[in-house]
Amino acid sequence: GAVVSQHPSRVICKSGTSVKIECRSLDFQATTMFWYRQFPKQSLMLMATSNEGSKATYEQGVEKDKFLINHASLTLSTLTVTSAHPEDSSFYICSAPRSGGDIQYFGAGTRLSVL
Amino acid sequence: AQKVTQAQTEISVVEKEDVTLDCVYETRDTTYYLFWYKQPPSGELVFLIRRNSFDEQNEISGRYSWNFQKSTSSFNFTITASQVVDSAVYFCALSEVNSGYALNFGKGTSLLVTP
Repeated sequence: GAVVSQHPSRVICKSGTSVKIECRSLDFQATTMFWYRQFPKQSLMLMATSNEGSKATYEQGVEKDKFLINHASLTLSTLTVTSAHPEDSSFYICSAPRSGGDIQYFGAGTRLSVL
Repeated sequence: AQKVTQAQTEISVVEKEDVTLDCVYETRDTTYYLFWYKQPPSGELVFLIRRNSFDEQNEISGRYSWNFQKSTSSFNFTITASQVVDSAVYFCALSEVNSGYALNFGKGTSLLVTP
């Protein structure tokens, strides 16, 4: 079964609204989680690294005020897309490395469509 | 700079043909991990294989095989006797210790297997 749960799997929202995506490790603790974004027919690009107990680290070009990341506990990281616009429509997927970090577990992804 | 290069954007083969997906990577770390993932239209990433930098043994799993060559920084993936169900986008990815194990994905190769 899935060891990383991501919710929701799909969301359609109006422009200007905020959307929260949850990523939860089910049977292990993850002090670090990663958030990736994939535009249609493109690769997955790392957006940010979520760190439990401290601020997230964002990749160059990713607006930290727009993509709020909260690593509330050792098993939960959330990504909030604030004031979403159509250009934010994308596939968002999280991953959590286990123990030594060499094994990564991915969530099933969230397909965001902003109208 | 692109750390993982998948030069083949799209490949089309007829069922039962063998097909090799190329992957070339770049890193200065001595400890790193290489991955292959399959992404069907649903978007979920399906883990296929993980290799660490100290293990150059080739691996075979059913119809799948992987050829890891540090001398050429390549980690190629071969599907033998391809099937229609193999149609998907395949991503090669690199994970480096110095990057906190975040994955660097190649641009992906879209494989179409026709009957």
